[in-house]
Amino acid sequence: AQSVTQPDIHITVSEGASLELRCNYSYGATPYLFWYVQSPGQGLQLLLKYFSGDTLVQGIKGFEAEFKRSQSSFNLRKPSVHWSDAAEYFCAVLNRDDKIIFGKGTRLHILP
Amino acid sequence: EAQVTQNPRYLITVTGKKLTVTCSQNMNHEYMSWYRQDPGLGLRQIYYSMNVEVTDKGDVPEGYKVSRKEKRNFPLILESPSPNQTSLYFCASTHFYGANYGYTFGSGTRLTVV
Repeated sequence: AQSVTQPDIHITVSEGASLELRCNYSYGATPYLFWYVQSPGQGLQLLLKYFSGDTLVQGIKGFEAEFKRSQSSFNLRKPSVHWSDAAEYFCAVLNRDDKIIFGKGTRLHILP
Repeated sequence: EAQVTQNPRYLITVTGKKLTVTCSQNMNHEYMSWYRQDPGLGLRQIYYSMNVEVTDKGDVPEGYKVSRKEKRNFPLILESPSPNQTSLYFCASTHFYGANYGYTFGSGTRLTVV
């Protein structure tokens, strides 16, 4: 069955530091991949998505992600985090049954 | 503004008292879905609908009902709520095909059943 793994439940980085959140997926064909962000008390917001083409995709709020088929990964990156980036981040994949499967999420904490 | 609107945002109810959480989208999306979010369990799909009058069970449908009589609305019905249905609920919608695929989520409904 298709699945998404986010190995890190919590990550803490200092404001201004770079960020990488990991995501690994299990899917036989070329996947549709997504990253969402959930700020406290809010719904999920789509940051970026990959369907095909260029494996480095740019999203909103200065985020980018790179699809690496050989590693079954779709890691999210940002060169310099801001305190407002503190939130929970979800990776997701569209599976064969046309359902979006979400990872368990990574909560990002920012140190001042 | 393109959005998914859920109501109410917060709800406290008693065991067994029927309730409905409404969801409406203004983007002409074909696909709508309900999720519940619980600590440590992530997002779990309750029901989804691929178009008007077409609904199907997700991963955790027990105790819930839905209907899709109009394209824009997808209400979630709890006929006899129980305390294990205390959770944060999200409605989401998307176009089903093409480059615009990707959920738009509502702001959530925090339900407490006592």
